[in-house]
Amino acid sequence: GDSVTQMEGPVTLSEEAFLTINCTYTATGYPSLFWYVQYPGEGLQLLLKATKADDKGSNKGFEATYRKETTSFHLEKGSVQVSDSAVYFCALLYGNNRLAFGKGNQVVVIP
Amino acid sequence: NAGVTQTPKFRILKIGQSMTLQCTQDMNHNYMYWYRQDPGMGLKLIYYSVGAGITDKGEVPNGYNVSRSTTEDFPLRLELAAPSQTSVYFCASRRDGETEAFFGQGTRLTVV
Repeated sequence: GDSVTQMEGPVTLSEEAFLTINCTYTATGYPSLFWYVQYPGEGLQLLLKATKADDKGSNKGFEATYRKETTSFHLEKGSVQVSDSAVYFCALLYGNNRLAFGKGNQVVVIP
Repeated sequence: NAGVTQTPKFRILKIGQSMTLQCTQDMNHNYMYWYRQDPGMGLKLIYYSVGAGITDKGEVPNGYNVSRSTTEDFPLRLELAAPSQTSVYFCASRRDGETEAFFGQGTRLTVV
């Protein structure tokens, strides 16, 4: 079935550093793509989304571009803050009703 | 505006016991989902529903059952709890025609 793959392992970086988290997808059609964020002890919240090729989703300084040619939706932020420490999940909506998530990446920002 | 509400927040079960995890949403969303979250494994879909009276299996349905008698409620039932069901369970809902899903705060279940 349709799926997403995120880069392995946690990400630790210093405040104001550049963040990239890789996400690639496998899909038979043209899914909608998402990044969700989970802060400690909470449920997931939508961070940004893109519904068609070449769309760029953005929110709170984070961006991701839907790249059909490379089947990717990498998350980037130019200058992270300590408050960005969280787990980030790439996800896709397929078959109009199923949401599939990647394994998530723990991001730790050190002051 | 409550959104998606899950109860209980925490529960410890003994092997073989049963319980129901409650999920209710007040946004009149058609779609509802149950996921489990295990460390390093992301979220796995257990069951989902596209509307009242309709449910379908996800990736990991074994050991669970669901019902959807109303639009608002989507309870998840564990009949014979096993240690492998120790996890954090999340319920989510989504409106038909929209792409954003809204999540509850989760239920942390431990089976001992």
